[in-house]
Amino acid sequence: DAKTTQPNSMESNEEEPVHLPCNHSTISGTDYIHWYRQLPSQGPEYVIHGLTSNVNNRMASLAIAEDRKSSTLILHRATLRDAAVYYCILRGPSSSNTGKLIFGQGTTLQVKP
Amino acid sequence: GAVVSQHPSWVICKSGTSVKIECRSLDFQATTMFWYRQFPKQSLMLMATSNEGSKATYEQGVEKDKFLINHASLTLSTLTVTSAHPEDSSFYICSARPRGGYTFGSGTRLTVV
Repeated sequence: DAKTTQPNSMESNEEEPVHLPCNHSTISGTDYIHWYRQLPSQGPEYVIHGLTSNVNNRMASLAIAEDRKSSTLILHRATLRDAAVYYCILRGPSSSNTGKLIFGQGTTLQVKP
Repeated sequence: GAVVSQHPSWVICKSGTSVKIECRSLDFQATTMFWYRQFPKQSLMLMATSNEGSKATYEQGVEKDKFLINHASLTLSTLTVTSAHPEDSSFYICSARPRGGYTFGSGTRLTVV
C-alpha cells in the first residue's frame, strides 16, 4: 500500500473547524483514502473514506484534491472529545491483497477549551 | 454497526506465564481478523492476519511460536502470548472487516511483571 505523510501534531480550539492534511503522492488509481482515529487507550474507530469525490458523514468531511495526491479531513466544530490520533491510510480495492490495514504515525490532535 | 468484542481489557501476568486474548465478532462473521500491537506513544503495528480454519499469516519479525493465533470459528479469534516477558507488555488490538470499513476491538493492555 502507498505511503501517507501527516503532521505529527495539531492544535485546535473548541467549537472551531479543524483541517487535518494528508499527503499521498504515490497513490494509485484504485486506492481508497481511509481515515481512522484513536482515542486514548481505545482501539481505532472509522471516521470516513473516499476515492475521488468529496465525502460527508455525520462525523466529518473528506476533501480530496483533484490529482488525489493529497486529502484533508475536516471536523466542522471540534469538541474536546475529538482529541485523538488521526490516521490517514490508503487501501486498495477490497478484492486486492490480503486486506491488511497498515497504520502510519498519524496526527495527534489537541483540542483546547 | 458491526461490533468486535475484545477481552480482557487489561491483564497483569508474571514472567514466564501465558496469556490468552479473545476477539469476537458479535453480529457478523469474520473469516479474517487482524492482530496489532501498540507500544506507548507509537502507532499500531500489524502482527498477523488470522484466517478461519487455516494457519495465521505473520508479519516479518513476529515470532509465530510466541504469539499463537487460533481462529477456530467465524466469530472468534484468539491470541496467546506464550512465556510472556516484560518486553511483551503492550496494548494488543484486534480488528475485522465486515462490509465497509474496518472495526476494531477496544484493546487489551498487557503488563508482564
